[in-house]
Amino acid sequence: DADVTQTPRNRITKTEKRIMLECSQTKGHDRMYWYRQDPGLGLQLIYYSFDVKDINKGEISDGYSVSRQAQAKFSLSLESAIPNQTALYFCATSDPGGELFFGEGSRLTVL
Amino acid sequence: KNQVEQSPQSLIILEGKNCTLQCNYTVSPFSNLRWYKQDTGRGPVSLTIMTFSENTKSNGRYTATLDADTKQSSLHITASQLSDSASYICVVISGGSYIPTFGRGTSLIVHP
Repeated sequence: DADVTQTPRNRITKTEKRIMLECSQTKGHDRMYWYRQDPGLGLQLIYYSFDVKDINKGEISDGYSVSRQAQAKFSLSLESAIPNQTALYFCATSDPGGELFFGEGSRLTVL
Repeated sequence: KNQVEQSPQSLIILEGKNCTLQCNYTVSPFSNLRWYKQDTGRGPVSLTIMTFSENTKSNGRYTATLDADTKQSSLHITASQLSDSASYICVVISGGSYIPTFGRGTSLIVHP
């Protein structure tokens, strides 16, 4: 089993629908992140959490929210999806030295 | 503002050839620098880590260098293979916030 698991792996939805992407990890890491990747733009940080109940905005948090339900779980929500949120989303954890461990990604298409 | 710049943006080489990817950063304070390999549609995977005191580190056919004075790093790939085709991402960790700063990556294509 993967150390960082994302669900769903693929999702097609319509504009204004609410979407939740879920992430769970078995690494035992306190730090978790959500990133968005668009072609040619690299990975952009949406939100991050350094502990349960710790939530911090990243560089592109508008239109997104997160919940850190437990050390192992970090979910990303789009309250009202719009087409320009179509992207590949990655969840990651990091160890104390800063090495990142990524999930396999969730491909979201908003029509 | 912390920034990481990578060059070239893309690179095409023939199988068996060597190549070098560049990374310049302005992250301060510096903690460490990592190179990640990202296969298409997959999550990035760490290749090497460079700390302030390290100049060179190898991982198989991958060799990373770090010049902390000029804030530059390079990733050299020797005897390229088709499986090296991927995006290579330079990530710098700040010593203050420990938030990773990502470069946009270099897309490498290895042709037979």
